[in-house]
Amino acid sequence: GEDVEQSLFLSVREGDSSVINCTYTDSSSTYLYWYKQEPGAGLQLLTYIFSNMDMKQDQRLTVLLNKKDKHLSLRIADTQTGDSAIYFCAETDSGGYNKLIFGAGTRLAVHP
Amino acid sequence: GAGVSQSPSNKVTEKGKDVELRCDPISGHTALYWYRQSLGQGLEFLIYFQGNSAPDKSGLPSDRFSAERTGGSVSTLTIQRTQQEDSAVYLCASSLVRGNTEAFFGQGTRLTVV
Repeated sequence: GEDVEQSLFLSVREGDSSVINCTYTDSSSTYLYWYKQEPGAGLQLLTYIFSNMDMKQDQRLTVLLNKKDKHLSLRIADTQTGDSAIYFCAETDSGGYNKLIFGAGTRLAVHP
Repeated sequence: GAGVSQSPSNKVTEKGKDVELRCDPISGHTALYWYRQSLGQGLEFLIYFQGNSAPDKSGLPSDRFSAERTGGSVSTLTIQRTQQEDSAVYLCASSLVRGNTEAFFGQGTRLTVV
């Protein structure tokens, strides 16, 4: 079945870059997503990438997609304390339901 | 409204009681998800509705859990005979099913079973 895997925890120093990695299984996923969950809040879409792209940049965020290895990453440049949150990777199940499959989330801790 | 609305935002219930959680999706969104998030944990998929198709119930943890979606819009998640391990935040999301299937999440219902 479909599966999305992420490392559970990442700690970085303020001002450094953060790289959050994700692997997925459904090679037919049309879109891949990154969601952010701040403490006590719901999930918000951070960015997404269409499967025919290798890279997408949006201000401090860079998404890299390696379709061959089914690997997705999110890079946050100049990480700030406000970036501390849980980041979820998600793929779309192409088995007819178009259901989103989420990873378990990576908790990013930013320290001074 | 403009977003996904969930009610109540908080619910405290006694062990053994039944609870109903409600989700109002974004108008026009034919896909609706329920997830559970225990304290400090990731998302646990519960159930997925898509239009008139049979729902994907593969994530429901036990037969005490059920959900329905009336008229393709509002959904209710029911937990019967609640247990302490049911304590969690229950999140609802909705999306389109064609094109960009970005899911929009509600703020969740925090359920505490005492």
